[in-house]
Amino acid sequence: GESVGLHLPTLSVQEGDNSIINCAYSNSASDYFIWYKQESGKGPQFIIDIRSNMDKRQGQRVTVLLNKTVKHLSLQIAATQPGDSAVYFCAVPGGSYIPTFGRGTSLIVHP
Amino acid sequence: DAGVIQSPRHEVTEMGQEVTLRCKPISGHDYLFWYRQTMMRGLELLIYFNNNVPIDDSGMPEDRFSAKMPNASFSTLKIQPSEPRDSAVYFCASSMNSEAFFGQGTRLTVV
Repeated sequence: GESVGLHLPTLSVQEGDNSIINCAYSNSASDYFIWYKQESGKGPQFIIDIRSNMDKRQGQRVTVLLNKTVKHLSLQIAATQPGDSAVYFCAVPGGSYIPTFGRGTSLIVHP
Repeated sequence: DAGVIQSPRHEVTEMGQEVTLRCKPISGHDYLFWYRQTMMRGLELLIYFNNNVPIDDSGMPEDRFSAKMPNASFSTLKIQPSEPRDSAVYFCASSMNSEAFFGQGTRLTVV
């Protein structure tokens, strides 16, 4: 199966700062990558995705960067807010869009 | 659509008892996934179905675990007999060849 790792289990930031969450993957054939956000007591929710033919994709306050050379993915959150506090997962679906998750990074936003 | 619906939200049972978790996927989605989440192991894929057919159950931990999908709108995950180490949050998710949508999860406690 897919091996997905996260560099930091916990990230603490001040409200208003930018946050960067990193993720490494092992399967160089992966062509689709997804970031999920999981708030306490809830299931993971889709944030943003990117395909392998792109190296950057922007959403509302979030940007995902893909570096296929080093098999690295990052999620950037601009002007982090307390509501962004959650666990963030990168998921690398294998065949048939079956998402495999890393351990997750806990983002803590201090007011 | 109400999203993926799981029941019950919480289940407390005694060791040795049978536990049945239920899931209603999003209408029109042809993939259904069962995940288990624990602090130690993160989010693990147990089994997934495509068009109601089990495709990969290699993540099912033991023969005590079984899953069925009798129709496109309903799936069950059964544990018989349950053990304390089965305590976890169990998520059901569905997708249509894109990002997966998760239910709120069932928090299972086996005492």
